Amino acid sequence: AQSVAQPEDQVNVAEGNPLTVKCTYSVSGNPYLFWYVQYPNRGLQFLLKYITGDNLVKGSYGFEAEFNKSQTSFHLKKPSALVSDSALYFCAVRDSGDDKIIFGKGTRLHILP
Amino acid sequence: GAVVSQHPSWVICKSGTSVKIECRSLDFQATTMFWYRQFPKQSLMLMATSNEGSKATYEQGVEKDKFLINHASLTLSTLTVTSAHPEDSSFYICSARDGGHPQPQHFGDGTRLSIL
Repeated sequence: AQSVAQPEDQVNVAEGNPLTVKCTYSVSGNPYLFWYVQYPNRGLQFLLKYITGDNLVKGSYGFEAEFNKSQTSFHLKKPSALVSDSALYFCAVRDSGDDKIIFGKGTRLHILP
Repeated sequence: GAVVSQHPSWVICKSGTSVKIECRSLDFQATTMFWYRQFPKQSLMLMATSNEGSKATYEQGVEKDKFLINHASLTLSTLTVTSAHPEDSSFYICSARDGGHPQPQHFGDGTRLSIL
């Protein structure tokens, strides 16, 4: 069965600094990996996905993520954080042989002005 | 594109009431929709997978008679919480996939259900 881990409950970054939100995964087949963002009392917004191809994936709002097969990681990154990036971020994985997405527990990102 | 609308956003009702939540894909057809429940400061818990024209597939531990799911068309799935009680209070979120594997799911804005 697939699983995903977000080791940090909260990440604090000063505005303008680079940010990283960590994610590691476990699947039996080929992974499909996703990042979503959630603002208070809202659903999840899709940021980016990795299916195949280039390990560096670029997504919405300047975010990108790097797929690392050997480390089974898919960390979310942004070169320069904005205060408006403050939100709850979810990493998710789906096994290529399964229909269900499994979400990590989420990481709350605080961008300090 | 790929907009999912969920209605209502907020529901407050008395214990014993049944509550229906609608999930619509506005600009695409969704053969599969998903219903999640999210507790405060926790991740999303998949409740069931809703397939158009067939019975929903429920996750282990989710009562199918309590949480009735209907997916009558390619753009609409409904979740009915029957005889709701305070412990059913939660944030319910639906999602729909635009196409088959491996397209991402697109989420509604959620429904906050409060049972008094």
